Amino acid sequence: DQQVKQNSPSLSVQEGRISILNCDYTNSMFDYFLWYKKYPAEGPTFLISISSIKDKNEDGRFTVFLNKSAKHLSLHIVPSQPGDSAVYFCAAYASNTGKLIFGQGTTLQVKP
Amino acid sequence: KAGVTQTPRYLIKTRGQQVTLSCSPISGHRSVSWYQQTPGQGLQFLFEYFSETQRNKGNFPGRFSGRQFSNSRSEMNVSTLELGDSALYLCASSLAQGRETQYFGPGTRLLVL
Repeated sequence: DQQVKQNSPSLSVQEGRISILNCDYTNSMFDYFLWYKKYPAEGPTFLISISSIKDKNEDGRFTVFLNKSAKHLSLHIVPSQPGDSAVYFCAAYASNTGKLIFGQGTTLQVKP
Repeated sequence: KAGVTQTPRYLIKTRGQQVTLSCSPISGHRSVSWYQQTPGQGLQFLFEYFSETQRNKGNFPGRFSGRQFSNSRSEMNVSTLELGDSALYLCASSLAQGRETQYFGPGTRLLVL
């Protein structure tokens, strides 16, 4: 049972445009959400997070939106740069279990 | 500050063998988690250790085990290897349990033939 789903395996955008990566979850007990970025041959690196009590968090070019009623979160990258090309994982944390559950990942390609 | 280190980086084993992977967390971090990454499955949580105790466990068979030492270094062991165990095994450390940000190592790429 996949509690955190990233339904788009890949996404391709032009440099300078907006990249929108989506993530859906099923467990309403998740109270903290994170995005990680992963380059080949490296471990994932933390990008941005959001608490379930908020609906938006912004950090530079990266903004995460949370829609609790739809159990959906998204990561917006504006403007997209070729260096953003990587695999992006969303993850959800539930305080009652202490587990961090990851999605399958979305490969983003930003074309120059 | 040095990051999370994992050894070895690459490993080739045959079915039925066992393997031990090592993870050294960031200095001062006391929580270590292990994940398995396979194509299409994302990162699957294996287990989490804190203060030498397993605090959380994912849905993996008993062939997968781990431990944590007093210096917070952790090892993961897989016995009776199967072809399906071929994957990237990632270790992540954090200051404490809970929703602390996890910092990942580069992973150990295991190939089972």
